[in-house]
Amino acid sequence: KAGVTQTPRYLIKTRGQQVTLSCSPISGHRSVSWYQQTPGQGLQFLFEYFSETQRNKGNFPGRFSGRQFSNSRSEMNVSTLELGDSALYLCASSFKGQGYYNEQFFGPGTRLTVL
Amino acid sequence: GQQLNQSPQSMFIQEGEDVSMNCTSSSIFNTWLWYKQDPGEGPVLLIALYKAGELTSNGRLTAQFGITRKDSFLNISASIPSDVGIYFCAGQLSGGFKAGGADGLTFGKGTHLIIQP
Repeated sequence: KAGVTQTPRYLIKTRGQQVTLSCSPISGHRSVSWYQQTPGQGLQFLFEYFSETQRNKGNFPGRFSGRQFSNSRSEMNVSTLELGDSALYLCASSFKGQGYYNEQFFGPGTRLTVL
Repeated sequence: GQQLNQSPQSMFIQEGEDVSMNCTSSSIFNTWLWYKQDPGEGPVLLIALYKAGELTSNGRLTAQFGITRKDSFLNISASIPSDVGIYFCAGQLSGGFKAGGADGLTFGKGTHLIIQP
């Protein structure tokens, strides 16, 4: 079974631009969560999507948004990029069904550099 | 918000030695998870713990869910070169067997494991 895939793997943008990252979960998984990883703050939860609805949200500004499609694929968008948005953005998927453990499996991440 | 204190920050050990690291929290979690991350990759799940007091093994790895629900430890026995990497603990509010609930993970800062030849 293929793992979580994220595209692109690397991205360079300039301040003020916007960016869209994509995540394809493991086949059959219905929940997608997004995390930001930086050397200073570590791994921080951004938001979770399940059945095309945002279910949980971390403590990030409204410039960070996302969506989930009917096939469970998810995108996250960051508008008006700032230098501090440079990070590894990780996507994780889980089955999230009654009677199943909701273990999260991570993709390789998208490395975003903001210049 | 919730924070996890993970220690030690780094460990320099000899091949064959045992390793121990732990995480403590100011609040309760219903699930504890341990991940390993290699450079350029996403975290890989090592062990998941769902019940207070639970002790679970995965090969040379053993982890325990603390009775108070506020801590967990991970032990690695007889370390080998491929154990090098960053180990993260993570707490999750939701437990198993639930379709709903808050599943956002709260992570520790990580333990860098370095094995000296």
